[in-house]
Amino acid sequence: QVQLVQSGAEVKKPGSSVKVSCKASGGTFSRYTIGWVRQAPGQGLEWMGRIIPVLGIANYAQRFQGRVTITADRSTSTAYMELSSLRSEDTAVYYCARDDTLDVWGQGTLVTVSS
Amino acid sequence: DIQMTQSPSTLSASVGDSVTITCRASQSISTWLAWYQQKPGKAPKLLISKASSLESGVPSRFSGSGSGTEFTLTISSLQPDDFATYYCHQYDTYSLMYTFGQGTKLEIK
Repeated sequence: QVQLVQSGAEVKKPGSSVKVSCKASGGTFSRYTIGWVRQAPGQGLEWMGRIIPVLGIANYAQRFQGRVTITADRSTSTAYMELSSLRSEDTAVYYCARDDTLDVWGQGTLVTVSS
Repeated sequence: DIQMTQSPSTLSASVGDSVTITCRASQSISTWLAWYQQKPGKAPKLLISKASSLESGVPSRFSGSGSGTEFTLTISSLQPDDFATYYCHQYDTYSLMYTFGQGTKLEIK
């Protein structure tokens, strides 16, 4: 049974960057894409981008282009999402999920951006 | 980007009712559509993929239909555990620009 375990909560200053990790266990990491989704407090889900670990190719939602970088380390079955130039509106829970269907989700990582 | 318009934003219903949620895509996405259920403080749960394919373990009272630009999620004979927020999500593998609908909060009447 595949599981995705994410890194812990972060508090960041405006203008800084955050890097969230997502480690897969119990399955074949490279067989699937890993997507990233965020949810601001009281708001809906927002797709940010995804990566194909076996190829190392990522694509991003237009509104995050230039500010988000998604990478994957096949040796440790871990995907990463780095978001730069943080602002208060980036305060949200960030999720990773498996496959384009997002069939298995991580537990979420709360990122708080505050001065 | 492909826009997903989900309606209604809020739905009030009683246990035993049947409800339908609609998602409309701004362009054709074939059947690259999934539906999720989310409860407060929890990660979303995949219910249906490929517009109508029920995930293993999801009760058969959930069903999805549609193709192209119009999609529906129907929940028949609502159970207390079904009151949650539902999202559609297009994952059109040609555009590679995926998007969610705005969500539908299903409330107890």
